[in-house]
Amino acid sequence: DAKTTQPNSMESNEEEPVHLPCNHSTISGTDYIHWYRQLPSQGPEYVIHGLTSNVNNRMASLAIAEDRKSSTLILHRATLRDAAVYYCILRAALVFGAGTILRVKS
Amino acid sequence: GAVVSQHPSRVICKSGTSVKIECRSLDFQATTMFWYRQFPKKSLMLMATSNEGSKATYEQGVEKDKFLINHASLTLSTLTVTSAHPEDSSFYICSAGQGTSSTDTQYFGPGTRLTVL
Repeated sequence: DAKTTQPNSMESNEEEPVHLPCNHSTISGTDYIHWYRQLPSQGPEYVIHGLTSNVNNRMASLAIAEDRKSSTLILHRATLRDAAVYYCILRAALVFGAGTILRVKS
Repeated sequence: GAVVSQHPSRVICKSGTSVKIECRSLDFQATTMFWYRQFPKKSLMLMATSNEGSKATYEQGVEKDKFLINHASLTLSTLTVTSAHPEDSSFYICSAGQGTSSTDTQYFGPGTRLTVL
């Protein structure tokens, strides 16, 4: 199964942009890159997904490397409510890695 | 986005009893639902894929006779933990999507906290 690698944790100041990286060097040509986030004691929440092109929605932007071996989730202005564990998964694999714990400082 | 509900949100039971957890897709039909288990400070672990009208597919190491899955309709899947023991205490989460291709988004339920005494 194709797997993803993310940093264990990251910290950001409120109102500043956050770039959360994800490596997926064994991604296949048809795997979409999905991002979810999870607050304590809640189910994961969908954030964004994409295949090759950069994607934008109300919550975030997703920048995908040209070779698709890595991607970056961008939160344009972090708020305290964005503090969560962020997971990057390849939909075909349905395998959740450890994710990145994002801490946001006020 | 689509809504997935789970019931109950938390349950406490005695060792040896069975517990049923329901997962419902409220505003869409899901031919496939997924069941996950999550231990404290750990990531989600896929347990099984629930297929409407057919048998579930279990991940390696997950006992199918202990974790019974029934996907009776396009909006309901149930997970029954049989003869529960304290080590089964965990956070159980389901997800559902409108399809199973790589582009389809999965929507997760709020989870069920199971505590076995």
